Amino acid sequence: DVKVTQSSRYLVKRTGEKVFLECVQDMDHENMFWYRQDPGLGLRLIYFSYDVKMKEKGDIPEGYSVSREKKERFSLILESASTNQTSMYLCASRGPYEQYFGPGTRLTVT
Amino acid sequence: AQSVTQLDSHVSVSEGTPVLLRCNYSSSYSPSLFWYVQHPNKGLQLLLKYTSAATLVKGINGFEAEFKKSETSFHLTKPSAHMSDAAEYFCVVSGGLNQAGTALIFGKGTTLSVSS
Repeated sequence: DVKVTQSSRYLVKRTGEKVFLECVQDMDHENMFWYRQDPGLGLRLIYFSYDVKMKEKGDIPEGYSVSREKKERFSLILESASTNQTSMYLCASRGPYEQYFGPGTRLTVT
Repeated sequence: AQSVTQLDSHVSVSEGTPVLLRCNYSSSYSPSLFWYVQHPNKGLQLLLKYTSAATLVKGINGFEAEFKKSETSFHLTKPSAHMSDAAEYFCVVSGGLNQAGTALIFGKGTTLSVSS
């Protein structure tokens, strides 16, 4: 079974803090993605990576950056957290036939 | 550009009655289409996918979907709802042929409620 794990299920941070969300996959996939999920908006793509050290902006990259130093790990960084970044964050890894999602991190910024 | 529209934000059915969740898509080429399900406090699970083979696609838990190119639709159905089907359902289209196309484009979701 493909496993996509995320470092935290729940996270509470203060406005202005730097936040790291980690994602690890164990299937040697090249493509990895970060989405955020908000009620009534579905999932929206923040960033994706198709190889180590390669990254591309998605639909809503503002306020976020990413890092992919190793193939299995894809990190999402909130440089200075704001309350409008309170959301559910989902990491995904793409295999030949489908995307596999992690369990999500529910981030609250106060 | 690819997009997907889920026509109902909320659908309510009684247990044992049919389920219909509607989805229309827009794509400039032959798309790959998916339905995902998300149960409360659980991760996303792939229900079924269409990738230009048979137009009627069977998925897990008795769900199926029919790809209709003339109507640009990919509606999800189940003959008889079960209480455990209560969840949020997402219709999804593959993003395209370039690097960005490896991402998925999600609809806004349909919440399915099942009453006894």
